[in-house]
Amino acid sequence: DIQMTQTPSSMPASLGERVTISCRASQGISNYLNWYQQKPDGTIKPLIYYTSNLQSGVPSRFSGSGSGTDYSLTISSLEPEDFAMYYCQQYDSSPWTFGGGTKLELK
Amino acid sequence: QVQLKESGPGLVQPSQTLSLTCTVSGFSLTSNSVHWVRQPPGKGLEWVGAIWSGGSTDYNSALKSRLSISRDTSKSQVFLKMNSLQTEDTAIYFCTRYDNNYFDYWGQGVMVTVSS
Repeated sequence: DIQMTQTPSSMPASLGERVTISCRASQGISNYLNWYQQKPDGTIKPLIYYTSNLQSGVPSRFSGSGSGTDYSLTISSLEPEDFAMYYCQQYDSSPWTFGGGTKLELK
Repeated sequence: QVQLKESGPGLVQPSQTLSLTCTVSGFSLTSNSVHWVRQPPGKGLEWVGAIWSGGSTDYNSALKSRLSISRDTSKSQVFLKMNSLQTEDTAIYFCTRYDNNYFDYWGQGVMVTVSS
């Protein structure tokens, strides 16, 4: 199975700050990498698919990049609604696997 | 609009079988696959398995011996059955639609507690 390692596991940040979350795969995944946001009430929604494509309706302050084994999610300027959990997920090979998550907290 | 909703018992005794239903609307099970993902309390997401639009299935190898996913296309329902439940199976179970290689719509999840 492909292991996905997300860093950091938690990140205190301020409104308006630029933040980057990293995700490393245990082997190359050919950009087959998605990002999801989970709100405190448990609802999950997609943010980025295929490394860098923004899901419809997601604000442009979210962006994704990466290649090979290393990927990242960047939020250019934090808004109040962005404080949530974030997960990366690979679909290069079954079983689909998720990173351990990053909790974005208000500093 | 696309919706998915999980249902099932909140409490299951150890060694018993879990049965969950995902009722979907706004799309056809013969056009899109539906996957199950679970989340133990305070932990991350784990892919459980899938039923593809053609009816074939894929399972997480760690759960495969205990797991079965099926569907009733006429009722727009997907079923998950997992036997020999243990306390480590306690989790929120989500069903989610898979389209264009990502999970684009998610249910709200159903909490399942394994306890005597």
